[in-house]
Amino acid sequence: QSVLTQPPSVSAAPGQKVTISCSGSSSNIGNNYVSWYQQLPGTAPKLLIYGNNKRPSGIPDRFSGSKSGTSATLDITGLQTGDEADYYCGTWDGSLTAGVFGGGTKLTVL
Amino acid sequence: QVQLQESGPGLVKPSQTLSLTCTVSGVSISSGDSYWSWIRQPAGKGLEWIGRIYTSGSATYNPSLKSRVTISVDTSKNQFSLKLSSVTAADTAVYYCTRESYFYSYGMDVWGQGTTVTVSS
Repeated sequence: QSVLTQPPSVSAAPGQKVTISCSGSSSNIGNNYVSWYQQLPGTAPKLLIYGNNKRPSGIPDRFSGSKSGTSATLDITGLQTGDEADYYCGTWDGSLTAGVFGGGTKLTVL
Repeated sequence: QVQLQESGPGLVKPSQTLSLTCTVSGVSISSGDSYWSWIRQPAGKGLEWIGRIYTSGSATYNPSLKSRVTISVDTSKNQFSLKLSSVTAADTAVYYCTRESYFYSYGMDVWGQGTTVTVSS
């Protein structure tokens, strides 16, 4: 059971928008920065969003993140078949004194 | 650019100690602006944070693994290492080393390619 809660799967058609949620608590999301990672099949995860809503260089602005209270959201617009991947949220948990991840969300682009 | 590379045995016997090393290139591990972390992922499952170490040698571990884990750093070799004792089949996973960078709000901006470790007799 993951500390952060994500939906197991989401799906949408090419060109559409999808939202992936990540729910936590005051000990993690509520008081720490959230990162999002994209893991394409057979590869290592890649940093997609950091500091709740910032994109590393090279990440398209189709990907955006936000945080409100103890929840965070990843939005992906203009979906492409190449976006099919597993997406993970992650942050620090001050009570556990440890990094924590969500269970991951599998995105299917229909 | 910054690169991380995991190395170590791909097969470990039950009850023995898993040992992996991460070699850092393109930046000094002593730069002081990052933590150096280990993450694992069992086949078909999610990511699990194992622990991290700072250049000073101060380490923090996942409470669920704390009794079995040791992470150390060798600044002279620009490497950091993971030891996990008393392994069982449940420790079979892909193990990644990563950098948690201050410049990315301690998000993991660099990942190794991962190394598969199987626990089996």
